[in-house]
Amino acid sequence: DGGITQSPKYLFRKEGQNVTLSCEQNLNHDAMYWYRQDPGQGLRLIYYSQIVNDFQKGDIAEGYSVSREKKESFPLTVTSAQKNPTAFYLCASTPSWVGGYTFGSGTRLTVV
Amino acid sequence: DAKTTQPPSMDCAEGRAANLPCNHSTISGNEYVYWYRQIHSQGPQYIIHGLKNNETNEMASLIITEDRKSSTLILPHATLRDTAVYYCIVRVGDGGSQGNLIFGKGTKLSVKP
Repeated sequence: DGGITQSPKYLFRKEGQNVTLSCEQNLNHDAMYWYRQDPGQGLRLIYYSQIVNDFQKGDIAEGYSVSREKKESFPLTVTSAQKNPTAFYLCASTPSWVGGYTFGSGTRLTVV
Repeated sequence: DAKTTQPPSMDCAEGRAANLPCNHSTISGNEYVYWYRQIHSQGPQYIIHGLKNNETNEMASLIITEDRKSSTLILPHATLRDTAVYYCIVRVGDGGSQGNLIFGKGTKLSVKP
């Protein structure tokens, strides 16, 4: 079945460490997105990519980095520069026309 | 900031229709209204979207006012599994390009037996 796979589901990181969250889709979607969600809050856009080898900053890109070397993959790195990285991270994709977004099941990152 | 306003919470009896309102008074002519829902600790699920006309699918109906300044999502026969946070979103950007979804805090719908 087509969908988006995020891994791992839970991730623990020590302060000062970089960590990479995986997002893979087999929907043949052009655009992919990373969102962050804090408890009781809506989703905030971190980065998005409309095509391979191109991506743009969202509203809260500081302390994060991404790459889009393949259409299917859009990994997110949470760097040590991100001051408050503990959150629920969601990846999404959408085809190049108007339509609904498909979200992954999320990765819950905790800094210990 | 989100371009929509929703009540923070609503209750609905199981088996009854759930009507979730959304105000989007500054919507532009080429912006669509999208509805998603998020069950606790899961990724949001697409429900429905529309531009001007009312829309219906297997999950819900979307009623958009003629002036497009507000809309209502209708779940015709709510079940306990419909308990979730419902997000009303106006999609930024025109129909031909990618528009980012701007999420507000949504409406927490509690379906009660």
